[in-house]
Amino acid sequence: EADIYQTPRYLVIGTGKKITLECSQTMGHDKMYWYQQDPGMELHLIHYSYGVNSTEKGDLSSESTVSRIRTEHFPLTLESARPSHTSQYLCASSAPGGTEAFFGQGTRLTVV
Amino acid sequence: GENVEQHPSTLSVQEGDSAVIKCTYSDSASNYFPWYKQELGKRPQLIIDIRSNVGEKKDQRIAVTLNKTAKHFSLHITETQPEDSAVYFCAASMEYSTLTFGKGTMLLVSP
Repeated sequence: EADIYQTPRYLVIGTGKKITLECSQTMGHDKMYWYQQDPGMELHLIHYSYGVNSTEKGDLSSESTVSRIRTEHFPLTLESARPSHTSQYLCASSAPGGTEAFFGQGTRLTVV
Repeated sequence: GENVEQHPSTLSVQEGDSAVIKCTYSDSASNYFPWYKQELGKRPQLIIDIRSNVGEKKDQRIAVTLNKTAKHFSLHITETQPEDSAVYFCAASMEYSTLTFGKGTMLLVSP
């Protein structure tokens, strides 16, 4: 079934550790996005990509980085996790043009 | 860039009542306006969307209206049910840009 997958779903990690949040989609979409969301709160766009080798920073300043080497894969990396990075991270994808964005289940990150 | 304002931030209604959530956008070039529902602990999911060449769209108990001149659009939910309780997000985008989301409305439907 075509979907967008995020791993891990939950992650508790110590301060200073490097982490990578995985996102893969089988929908054949060119556009992919990363959002940061505290529970029940607004969605903050932190990174997006229009296709392979395309990455852009979003509206919310983030210490994370992303890469887009393959169409279906859009990982997000934090080089040195801090407690302020504790949040939910949602990956999304959409087809070209103004169309619906499909969201993954999210990764809930806790940095202790 | 685009700016989307959403009101109210919280909305409490009795089961069976109607609920209306309003959004305004700033960029007249925006032409796609989706609404997402996010239940507690789940991902946002599209419930209805409208494009700028249409003024109103309905799907069973939900409807969206768009006023391009005033640059605002609204979500209408009739005969609300407890399972409608969730956070609702509006968004706007131009054809080749990213979605800009409103800050969300927490809807609580009491039995």
